[in-house]
Amino acid sequence: EVQLVESGGGLVQPGGSLRLSCAASGFTFSYYWMHWVRQAPGKGLVWVSRIHSDGSSTTYADSVRGRFTISRDNAKNTVSLQMNSLRAEDTAVYFCARGDRGAFDLWGQGTLVTVSS
Amino acid sequence: DIQMAQSPSTLSASVGDRVTITCRASQSISSWLAWYQQKPGKAPKLLIYRASSLESGVPSRFYGSGSGTEFTLTISSLQPDDFATYYCQHYDNYMWTFGQGTKVEIK
Repeated sequence: EVQLVESGGGLVQPGGSLRLSCAASGFTFSYYWMHWVRQAPGKGLVWVSRIHSDGSSTTYADSVRGRFTISRDNAKNTVSLQMNSLRAEDTAVYFCARGDRGAFDLWGQGTLVTVSS
Repeated sequence: DIQMAQSPSTLSASVGDRVTITCRASQSISSWLAWYQQKPGKAPKLLIYRASSLESGVPSRFYGSGSGTEFTLTISSLQPDDFATYYCQHYDNYMWTFGQGTKVEIK
């Protein structure tokens, strides 16, 4: 089955760190750019970060640049998001998504990150 | 940065209605424009890519069009399963931007 499954969400204090993971299956993972997209409670979708199919380049939204790091392991079919210096405004459901044709054609179910003291 | 503005923010419609959602860019953009449907508690689903190409498996009642700064998503005959929130999304220069969303409600 073609799918993405996120893990690693949870409750963290402001200033803390969390690492999200996304496991891919059912397709040739190494062919695709991968992304993280987030959605704050009751709000819209916001693109967070992207990584090239071979991991050679990355891009970040201004709101997370310098605090978040995206990485991937094509041997294990996983993409990760290391989140440091977390703020209350980072509270959201984080989706892993596959990039293709300028869009996101496959999404995971999402993992909730709550930043609160 | 290019901004994407969707309208309306909320739309009330009945089953069988023709529904149109508009996405306007702050400047002229290429056809790297996509549309998604999202239901509460679920991940978004890709409907349209490259402004007018229908994603595999998506019903043909969904239609995308537009160029320049104005793009539209049309649902030709609204079905019960179509009540959801819809987002446009643009890609340019390694950055991806979503519109703020349009909620389609039952009238």
